[in-house]
Amino acid sequence: DAGVTQSPTHLIKTRGQQVTLRCSPISGHKSVSWYQQVLGQGPQFIFQYYEKEERGRGNFPDRFSARQFPNYSSELNVNALLLGDSALYLCASSLDRTGHEQYFGPGTRLTVT
Amino acid sequence: DAKTTQPNSMESNEEEPVHLPCNHSTISGTDYIHWYRQLPSQGPEYVIHGLTSNVNNRMASLAIAEDRKSSTLILHRATLRDAAVYYCILRYGSEKLVFGKGTKLTVNP
Repeated sequence: DAGVTQSPTHLIKTRGQQVTLRCSPISGHKSVSWYQQVLGQGPQFIFQYYEKEERGRGNFPDRFSARQFPNYSSELNVNALLLGDSALYLCASSLDRTGHEQYFGPGTRLTVT
Repeated sequence: DAKTTQPNSMESNEEEPVHLPCNHSTISGTDYIHWYRQLPSQGPEYVIHGLTSNVNNRMASLAIAEDRKSSTLILHRATLRDAAVYYCILRYGSEKLVFGKGTKLTVNP
């Protein structure tokens, strides 16, 4: 079975631009979460979506937004990019809301110059 | 969010058991103990989780202290592929995982 897939793998953007990152969960998984991982740190929670509704939001500015589609795939959008947004963006899916076993994708490496 | 304390790094030799400790003295009765690991250049990988009783799966064992203020992840026979950063996480309710800095495990051949 395919795992969690994310696209693109790498991305380079300029300050002030906007970016959209995509995630496809494991088939049958209805919950998707997004995390940001800055080099040398553990991942930080950004959003969680379950059944197309936002169920949790981390301590990130409103420049960050996300949505989940009827097929449970998800997009993370970041507006007005800052240099500090350079990070690995990870998507995780789980079967249901208990989320005891979350499966992470390989991430999208975003570089803001 | 309840906090965990882990050593920054540990070393082991290949084919020997590894015991990775985690302290969580402020754990509440409903917090689950989760372990994830992150291999270099990969996303985190689920290892194991438990509430009160010790747990075993194909990857590892989780030993939980009787007072639940600490736990130990046990890798029974370390391989080079087990070299990773191991995160001990407490979670209740929402799916949010709060990662700390974890323990970097080095496995020597």
